Amino acid sequence: GAVVSQHPSRVICKSGTSVKIECRSLDFQATTMFWYRQFPKQSLMLMATSNEGSKATYEQGVEKDKFLINHASLTLSTLTVTSAHPEDSSFYICSARYLGRSYNEQFFGPGTRLTVL
Amino acid sequence: AQRVTQPEKLLSVFKGAPVELKCNYSYSGSPELFWYVQYSRQRLQLLLRHISRESIKGFTADLNKGETSFHLKKPFAQEEDSAMYYCALKLYGGATNKLIFGTGTLLAVQP
Repeated sequence: GAVVSQHPSRVICKSGTSVKIECRSLDFQATTMFWYRQFPKQSLMLMATSNEGSKATYEQGVEKDKFLINHASLTLSTLTVTSAHPEDSSFYICSARYLGRSYNEQFFGPGTRLTVL
Repeated sequence: AQRVTQPEKLLSVFKGAPVELKCNYSYSGSPELFWYVQYSRQRLQLLLRHISRESIKGFTADLNKGETSFHLKKPFAQEEDSAMYYCALKLYGGATNKLIFGTGTLLAVQP
């Protein structure tokens, strides 16, 4: 249980276009999802926290107009990279929080590799 | 400022040797710390959390508040332990809590 999926796993787009990445919790409801960015051989950098039915909370330095996050349901959050540029090329990872009876834990998706040409 | 530091980018050991992956943190509140592991071509997954005081796959980690450390240890490394290991700190506050990660240590266990 507690599986998180992402789609697509890999996307290549032209500079100036927008790309949408989906994150789904497959067998549990997630009121909170997180979006991370990972550069090659570097750590995960938290971009934003997405709460179902409300606006996302962005980390300092992350442009909210550039990275649009929508958390319309308890099982789906989307990240849209608008007007993508080559410097947006990265590995984007989502995570969903599972609220168990005695603990809560973040489960991670497999990531989406974005390449902007 | 809240921070997680993993000083080693790469740790290479021989099979059967002891392993210690270092993690230090900076946090003004009561820390809640985790170790996550990422095997080759797989997603990030939780290895252990300090609250549980558990041993997973032979790994243990003890929170030392005096030294602000949460080092990951295993007495005898196995080749299948080769992976990227991330130390993470849970931050509380605002509308929700969140995890911040260290830069990771690549553990390479040689045969």
